[in-house]
Amino acid sequence: AIRMTQSPSSFSASTGDRVTITCRASQGISSYLAWYQQKPGKAPKLLIYAASTLQSGVPSRFSGSGSGTDFTLTISCLQSEDFATYYCQQYYSYLGGYTFGQGTKLEIK
Amino acid sequence: EVQLVESGGGLVKPGGSLRLSCAASGFTFSSYSMNWVRQAPGKGLEWVSSISSSSSYIYYADSVKGRFTISRDNAKNSLYLQMNSLRAEDTAVYYCARDRGSGSYYAYWGQGTLVTVSS
Repeated sequence: AIRMTQSPSSFSASTGDRVTITCRASQGISSYLAWYQQKPGKAPKLLIYAASTLQSGVPSRFSGSGSGTDFTLTISCLQSEDFATYYCQQYYSYLGGYTFGQGTKLEIK
Repeated sequence: EVQLVESGGGLVKPGGSLRLSCAASGFTFSSYSMNWVRQAPGKGLEWVSSISSSSSYIYYADSVKGRFTISRDNAKNSLYLQMNSLRAEDTAVYYCARDRGSGSYYAYWGQGTLVTVSS
């Protein structure tokens, strides 16, 4: 199974900050990576797919990059509505499952 | 508008069975793979199972293989998850999810249905 490891697991930031979340795959997954945002009690929301393609309707302050094993999600200027938990997911291989990272909780400083 | 509505969750004893349903609308159901993803209380997301548009390809997470069965009825625009031999660790919110047609990532999610396995 492909293991997805996010860092950090949680951190605090302020509105207006630029933040970066990292996701590392245990083996190469090309660009078969998606990012999701989840708020408490809600279903996840797709932000980015194919590592860097913004889902329709998602603000341009969100961006993704990377390929192979190392990926990043960047929020260029944090807004209050961005405080949430973020997950990466690989969809390169179903063997062992289309695995998610453990999540990164972004909290207000 | 794409809508996915899950139902069938509830409280079940260990070793018991439950069948989840997902009613889909707002898109051509028979054209898309469908998926189940779950989230244990306070935990992260876990992919459970996927089924291709014509049911030709079916995949399961190792944690549910042999116990859960995914199926679909394209005439009824419905997705199902038959869960047998349930364990406490299967307690979770179960989401029905649809991909965009270009890979198993999920642009559309239902609201989820809670399954609690407890004696």
